[in-house]
Amino acid sequence: SSELTQDPAVSVALGQTVRITCQGDSLRSYYASWYQQKPGQAPVVVIYGKNNRPSGIPDRFSGSSSGNTASLTITGAQAEDEADYYCNSRDSSGNHRIFGGGTKLTVL
Amino acid sequence: QVQLQQWGAGLLKPSETLSLTCAVYGGSFSAYYWTWNWIRQPPGKGLEWIGEINHRGSTDYNPSLKSRVTISLDTSKNQFSLKLNSVTAADTAVYYCARLREVEATFIYYYYMDVWGKGTTVTVS
Repeated sequence: SSELTQDPAVSVALGQTVRITCQGDSLRSYYASWYQQKPGQAPVVVIYGKNNRPSGIPDRFSGSSSGNTASLTITGAQAEDEADYYCNSRDSSGNHRIFGGGTKLTVL
Repeated sequence: QVQLQQWGAGLLKPSETLSLTCAVYGGSFSAYYWTWNWIRQPPGKGLEWIGEINHRGSTDYNPSLKSRVTISLDTSKNQFSLKLNSVTAADTAVYYCARLREVEATFIYYYYMDVWGKGTTVTVS
């Protein structure tokens, strides 16, 4: 089991807004980063820290955090956003990095 | 534009040692704000963090793999390497190398993996 918990699957209608969450005790102390992975490709960071987007990531991607939950929000989801999404932060001891189990996003 | 190029044996027998190397091209290797990571992904499953090494050669490993893992650095070649011994079928996965970047903003530190290798498929059979 993962110490960062994500819903296995989420779906969203094209153009609508979707929130993907990541829960874990460590998130009360550490920020998460979020990665998008499409089939056969390496992951790509989409959000890090409080709400920071690397260069080239569309502004429809945003992040937030409250208590033990980090969230990735896609506002106006596009077909190309269909992918697996992973959060990454520290484990509950704070000593090691860990990934969430991943969320498969389907855009309907 | 920094690129990570990785290579290593793709087919191993049980009990052998997995050995992968990742070379850093197009950028500095020894900045204090970078840490060099290995991550793996079993077929059809999620990402698993294996471990990391910083510019001083200090390492940190996933507790579940710590007894079998060694990550090392060769600054003269801008490379870092992964060794995983006594492999079993459970170690079959795509292995990625990645650069972890540290960003400081008003005394708050953020970390994210900003550059990834393309992945190496390792099969244990």
